[in-house]
Amino acid sequence: GAVVSQHPSRVICKSGTSVKIECRSLDFQATTMFWYRQFPKQSLMLMATSNEGSKATYEQGVEKDKFLINHASLTLSTLTVTSAHPEDSSFYICSAKGAKNIQYFGAGTRLSVL
Amino acid sequence: DQQVKQNSPSLSVQEGRISILNCDYTNSMFDYFLWYKKYPAEGPTFLISISSIKDKNEDGRFTVFLNKSAKHLSLHIVPSQPGDSAVYFCAASTKSGGSNYKLTFGKGTLLTVNP
Repeated sequence: GAVVSQHPSRVICKSGTSVKIECRSLDFQATTMFWYRQFPKQSLMLMATSNEGSKATYEQGVEKDKFLINHASLTLSTLTVTSAHPEDSSFYICSAKGAKNIQYFGAGTRLSVL
Repeated sequence: DQQVKQNSPSLSVQEGRISILNCDYTNSMFDYFLWYKKYPAEGPTFLISISSIKDKNEDGRFTVFLNKSAKHLSLHIVPSQPGDSAVYFCAASTKSGGSNYKLTFGKGTLLTVNP
């Protein structure tokens, strides 16, 4: 149980294009999902908290117009990186809050912007 | 400012011996702590957690110890197995600010268990 699926696992795009990443809780409902970014040899940095049916809460320094988050159902949250640039290249990972407030993570998405 | 610190970037132990991974935190509001394990190209997998009202939690080969006065926790793995080789992340959360239980992660410790 408590499986989170993240898609795609890898994406390469041209500068200026937008990329959408999906995060699904497969066997449980998640009213709260989280989006993280991880730089090499660094910890996971929380970008935003996504609550179903309401606007996401962004951490300080994260541009909400750059990283659009939609949590339209209890099993799906999406992160759209708009007008991606090379500096947006990173490893993005989502999690869904399950029972006992434990976060279950997806496998992550490696974004490379050329 | 790193609120959760894992000062050892790597640790190497022999199969069958004990692995001890350490974690320190600075925020006294943290009241729930978790350990995650991460293999390359995969997401972190939840291992074990502990609430601040306890000082020990055990699950099979994994035991987490919490020393609140020292703001220190550790994960013990015994006996260590080669399949335990992975990056281990310590994470902490606080109940303040709502019920979202946001996690703050350390940088991780790469554990290598040698056969």
